[in-house]
Parts: sequence; structure tokens; C-alpha cells
Amino acid sequence: DGGITQSPKYLFRKEGQNVTLSCEQNLNHDAMYWYRQDPGQGLRLIYYSQIVNDFQKGDIAEGYSVSREKKESFPLTVTSAQKNPTAFYLCASSRRADSGNTIYFGEGSWLTVV
Amino acid sequence: AQSVTQPDIHITVSEGASLELRCNYSYGATPYLFWYVQSPGQGLQLLLKYFSGDTLVQGIKGFEAEFKRSQSSFNLRKPSVHWSDAAEYFCAVGLNMEYGNKLVFGAGTILRVKS
Repeated sequence: DGGITQSPKYLFRKEGQNVTLSCEQNLNHDAMYWYRQDPGQGLRLIYYSQIVNDFQKGDIAEGYSVSREKKESFPLTVTSAQKNPTAFYLCASSRRADSGNTIYFGEGSWLTVV
Repeated sequence: AQSVTQPDIHITVSEGASLELRCNYSYGATPYLFWYVQSPGQGLQLLLKYFSGDTLVQGIKGFEAEFKRSQSSFNLRKPSVHWSDAAEYFCAVGLNMEYGNKLVFGAGTILRVKS
């Protein structure tokens, strides 16, 4: 089945550690996104990429990094510089980077800092 | 700046009753508008979207939404709510950016359905 796969579903991290969240899509979509979700705040855009080897900062990129070496993969690294990393992270993709195209979401990853 | 407002944080309706979830946006041009639904701990599923044309849009699961330019609104409706509709609902605006597009989301409305 076509879709977006995020892993792991649940992740615990000690303070000061970097952690990488995986996102893979087999929809042949050009554009991929990472959103962060906190209760009562909706979703906020961290990074996005519309083609391989290119990505742009979103609204809350500080403390995060990404790479886009393959069309189907867009991993997110939460670095120790992120002050409040505990959140629900959603990866998404769309056919082209055009505002009319529907953005599809993965099932999300829970990150908890302990 | 572009923004999306969902004025109701929580709404409780009885099963079988009608539902309307409010959404207002702030955007200069005619926007692309979306409604998504999220079950607890899950990703978001698209309910419906408006790009142009008929201002009344039909979606999945019996939902519809009406775009009203004069009110900058895109309210979601359902004539008869089922217990399985209990979830969180997000309204979003699609924006073109220099290097692609993104969705700007409202804060969400949590729907509770009582039997």
C-alpha cells in the first residue's frame, strides 16, 4: 500500500542527546514536510523540502536539522539545542510544492525527553 | 500575517444531532482551504478541501463545508453526528511560499459525542 511511514512511533531521549526520526514515503511525492504538534497549538512547520538535496526552514526550525538525499526519505534530527523537544512529530508529503496540492500525513512519532 | 482561527476549543454534541465547527482565516487572496480530522495519537486525515468554484464542498464521512468570502469563513458541518466522529478537527489554509507550499493550521477543535 502507498503511504507515509514514520518510525519509531515512540521515542524517549535523555537531555543533551540528538535523536533522528525517520520518514519514508512511497507515493512518489516531490515535496515533504515536518510538522510539530503541541496540545492547543495546532501544527507548526519545522522544515520542508520540494526536491532532493534542497530544503527550507519553516516557522520553528531552531534546534532541528533535516536531509533530503533521496526522494522518498526526509529524516528529522532533533538536536540538543532544541529547548523543549517533547512533542508529537508529523511527517507529510504532497505531489508537488503547490498550495493547491493536498498534503498527506504519516501516523506521527511521539518524542519524550526524560 | 496569515492565520487560521478556530474559536471553539471543545464542542460536545449528542449523537444524531447536527454539527458545525467554525473556522475563520486571515489571508489576502482567495485561499486554498482544508479540513483535517485526527484521532488520538494518529496522523491527520483529509476530510475535504476548497480550491475554487462551488462554495459548498462535500467531503468524506458525510461532512461538508461552505466557503464564505465575505465572512472569511470555512465552517465544517455534518447533519447527524455519529459516536465515531469524536476526534480533533483542524482547519488549514494552503499558502504558496518562495520554495514551495505549506499549510497553516488552526489550533483545532476537539469534538466529543455523547450518547
